[in-house]
Amino acid sequence: DVKVTQSSRYLVKRTGEKVFLECVQDMDHENMFWYRQDPGLGLRLIYFSYDVKMKEKGDIPEGYSVSREKKERFSLILESASTNQTSMYLCASHRGGGYGYTFGSGTRLTVV
Amino acid sequence: AQKITQTQPGMFVQEKEAVTLDCTYDTSDPSYGLFWYKQPSSGEMIFLIYQGSYDQQNATEGRYSLNFQKARKSANLVISASQLGDSAMYFCAMRDNSGAGSYQLTFGKGTKLSVIP
Repeated sequence: DVKVTQSSRYLVKRTGEKVFLECVQDMDHENMFWYRQDPGLGLRLIYFSYDVKMKEKGDIPEGYSVSREKKERFSLILESASTNQTSMYLCASHRGGGYGYTFGSGTRLTVV
Repeated sequence: AQKITQTQPGMFVQEKEAVTLDCTYDTSDPSYGLFWYKQPSSGEMIFLIYQGSYDQQNATEGRYSLNFQKARKSANLVISASQLGDSAMYFCAMRDNSGAGSYQLTFGKGTKLSVIP
């Protein structure tokens, strides 16, 4: 089975800090995604990547950036964390062509 | 633009009964895929079932079936013989299958299902 690993389950950061959320998948998938999940809003796409060094903005990219230097790793960066970025962040991986999105277990980020 | 609508914020069902979770979608693309995910309180997203827009038959996976009505743009999830472990958030999602870089999933806001003993 594909495994998607997010480096932290819980994270507390201060306003203004630069925050890195890491995601690693072990099945050579081309496509990787970052979502944030907030109560009543479902999952909203922040950024996605369909190849190394390629990235595309999702629905809510403001305040975020991403990095994909290696196929297996997709990092989400909060350049200057703000309290409205307190949320659950979910990473997903997909092989392309067929279906089978696999999600990580999520990182619950609190910005104080 | 794609849109997924789940009109039931919360649902209750008696154990061993069947339950239907509603999902409607809006897209102008002829090729798309529809997904249902389960999210228990632990937070993980568990893939349940998939339906392609050109699939002739409704998808089934064990106790899960997808009632796909293309003309009505409806993709309801039916869970038969509910179990206590089915209590969770359920998300409907759609993927546009056309074009490059098009594998992003668009999610609905979810339905919280509670199974009553």
